[in-house]
Amino acid sequence: TQLLEQSPQFLSIQEGENLTVYCNSSSVFSSLQWYRQEPGEGPVLLVTVVTGGEVKKLKRLTFQFGDARKDSSLHITAAQPGDTGLYLCAYAGFQKLVFGTGTRLLVSP
Amino acid sequence: SAVISQKPSRDICQRGTSLTIQCQVDSQVTMMFWYRQQPGQSLTLIATANQGSEATYESGFVIDKFPISRPNLTFSTLTVSNMSPEDSSIYLCSVGVIGTGGRTVQGYTFGSGTRLTVV
Repeated sequence: TQLLEQSPQFLSIQEGENLTVYCNSSSVFSSLQWYRQEPGEGPVLLVTVVTGGEVKKLKRLTFQFGDARKDSSLHITAAQPGDTGLYLCAYAGFQKLVFGTGTRLLVSP
Repeated sequence: SAVISQKPSRDICQRGTSLTIQCQVDSQVTMMFWYRQQPGQSLTLIATANQGSEATYESGFVIDKFPISRPNLTFSTLTVSNMSPEDSSIYLCSVGVIGTGGRTVQGYTFGSGTRLTVV
């Protein structure tokens, strides 16, 4: 059983649409991270959220950490084809990184 | 952040053979890890590569199948032994940078991965 469940698993949208990806768990975390992985590359860190209720913005991406620190969301405004990729939430356990199930996003022109 | 070079970037191998993947980092790092990413899936941690000692394997992964070496702070290898088609995956090397407190990893960097196809 995966500790971090992401939804949806796959999302195919048109350029300009908005979307939200969810990362849920029954466990409490001190922090969560979000990564994006493009084909042929390793994951790249987008953001780390550390405080319950925290909201962080990275251009058109908005990340939120749940008040209870059990879940997180990623909202993309006006998606572009360059946003296509695999989005992964992860928690940094004791000296190791564990990933969620992943959400594959396809943005078509 | 550290720059990771992984070799080979891809390979096609016959079942029953073994492949050794190399991971070279451009700076000394404390933590090195190996992940597997099966087709269309997320990343699963195989093991933590420990310098000068046996790797620490996650549940479901064993040393006989995935022997790991780490002779120094900048280099590690992962061998996929006695391969079967089910081993077809992307294998990724990752490094973690310990924060100034010396206890927690502040950031993780990944190599581009090795795409393995077993036929």
